Formats: sequence, structure tokens, C-alpha cells
Amino acid sequence: RKEVEQDPGPFNVPEGATVAFNCTYSNSASQSFFWYRQDCRKEPKLLMSVYSSGNEDGRFTAQLNRASQYISLLIRDSKLSDSATYLCVVNPGNNRKLIWGLGTSLAVNP
Amino acid sequence: EPEVTQTPSHQVTQMGQEVILRCVPISNHLYFYWYRQILGQKVEFLVSFYNNEISEKSEIFDDQFSVERPDGSNFTLKIRSTKLEDSAMYFCASSARTTNTGELFFGEGSRLTVL
Repeated sequence: RKEVEQDPGPFNVPEGATVAFNCTYSNSASQSFFWYRQDCRKEPKLLMSVYSSGNEDGRFTAQLNRASQYISLLIRDSKLSDSATYLCVVNPGNNRKLIWGLGTSLAVNP
Repeated sequence: EPEVTQTPSHQVTQMGQEVILRCVPISNHLYFYWYRQILGQKVEFLVSFYNNEISEKSEIFDDQFSVERPDGSNFTLKIRSTKLEDSAMYFCASSARTTNTGELFFGEGSRLTVL
């Protein structure tokens, strides 16, 4: 099983739709989790940290399910500007390097 | 808003040449990183740097690579003898945390093309 796995997509959704991505991780001892956004040929940008209790930031909601070892990102009322690749990042702890997923591509269409 | 800056934005070099990529991390940040991304592929960790020394490096970061923080502000990545497969976007990142968390701020990247 890969350390971090994401469905690469692409997810094609109309404006206003709700879309959700999952990311599974293999190391049950992983400490913290993050969603980054990357536009084409640009740098990754931190979108959200994922807390145990789940967290929400406007139209974006992140959840962690430790029992099933996955995190999710829900985008409500999607905008054209949400079109990007969403990268799942896992911190395995003990000051070891972060583990990056390949990313899920989202295209929001008019 | 403070940001990580990288130079050059694009460098074209001949195979076997040395390349130095420069980064100025956010000024009060403590952890520094180099990542690379080959077009269409995943973000790959190269090296992390904390307290003036390498804290971790990947298998990609072989003897051809080195990092330096020569003057307290710049953070450089040197590739001694470039290969074709070194062609990629190189991202510098920094973090304000004292431990290695996942909250990184990235520069816009330096695109390296090796011919």
C-alpha cells in the first residue's frame, strides 16, 4: 500500500457543485495532515491543516478519520477559481519528512 | 505579506555544468526545505535544514547536491554536475515552527532545464 494515496481524477464539476476528495495513508502513527492547493506550474500553497475534530474554512471542510486512515476535503459551492490540483500531505512524526500525495485534479466548469 | 523568494525563475544549462539556485526564506522562519517537481509528477522532498545543518535528506539528494545558508538570509541549493534528469521545478520552502510540521510556505520555484 502506498504511503499516501489519492485519486488523481480529474474531477470535472459544474460551478456551484459540491465535490469531495479522499486521501488514504498507510502509517497509523501519522501525526498531522494537510491539504495543499497547486495551480498549474505554480508552487503548492497550504489550504488547510486537518484537525482531529474536523475543521471548516468558508466553503472548505476537512475531516480526519483515524480509524479508517483517511482524510477528506469537501468543497461546497465550487467556483471556477477552485480549479487546481489538491495535494494531501501527511506528517509521519518524529521530525521525519512529510509525505506528499500525487494530487487530485479538479476542474470547475462554467 | 512576507514571502519566500527564489532566483532565478528559469535557468537553462548544459549537462555537466554546476547550477546554484537561490532562496530567501521568510525572515523569522526556522526550518528550510528544497523540493523538486518534475513536470506532471509529484512533489519530491530533497532536503530539510534546521539550525544551520541538514536535518534530513532524501535518496535523491546525493553527492551532486549541497545546500548552504551562507549569510543568514540566503539558502542555496547547488547541483555540482547537472544531468538531464535534473530538469525540474525546484521549490524552496520555509516554516516558522521549531519542529518539522506540515505548514510550509513555498517560493514560486526555479525551473531548471538541462540540455
